[in-house]
Amino acid sequence: SQKIEQNSEALNIQEGKTATLTCNYTNYSPAYLQWYRQDPGRGPVFLLLIRENEKEKRKERLKVTFDTTLKQSLFHITASQPADSATYLCAHSSGGYQKVTFGTGTKLQVIP
Amino acid sequence: SQTIHQWPATLVQPVGSPLSLECTVEGTSNPNLYWYRQAAGRGLQLLFYSVGIGQISSEVPQNLSASRPQDRQFILSSKKLLLSDSGFYLCAWSDGPRAQETQYFGPGTRLLVL
Repeated sequence: SQKIEQNSEALNIQEGKTATLTCNYTNYSPAYLQWYRQDPGRGPVFLLLIRENEKEKRKERLKVTFDTTLKQSLFHITASQPADSATYLCAHSSGGYQKVTFGTGTKLQVIP
Repeated sequence: SQTIHQWPATLVQPVGSPLSLECTVEGTSNPNLYWYRQAAGRGLQLLFYSVGIGQISSEVPQNLSASRPQDRQFILSSKKLLLSDSGFYLCAWSDGPRAQETQYFGPGTRLLVL
């Protein structure tokens, strides 16, 4: 079965720096990796999706990369702000299935 | 635009009592629907998903059940709650049948079983 690992439970960085979060997956299959943001007591909010044939995806200050050789996705937030503080979830799906497997998340704290 | 509603927002129930959580989606038709549970400090656990009215797939055997009586309504139920049922319950939808990779979550229901 698919397994998703987000290596860091928590990450603290200084405001203005680039935050980099890691997501590793096992059992390679046609892969779509998604990143979500979850604030305390709220439902996750979709941020970005990257497909297996894409190396990189950007959205404003967010960037996601996908390395199928390493079976890894990196999620970057540039010029981080305290408002970026939240838990970030990585998720995998195989497109043809109706379910998505989520990682346990990385809690990012941006320190002013 | 599409919106997803869940209620209640918070619920405190005694062990052994029944449960009914409701989720409705607006602004789309024939969505894929999902129930997840998120325990404190844990990841999202998929409980049920549905691709259509009356079609329910269970991911985790337990004392919970789900029903989809209407296209955009998804209900999570239990006849007798256990302490271990406490958690944050999230409903989500995705476009079916192709673009189901992206899921859109509701605000969640926090359930505390005492």
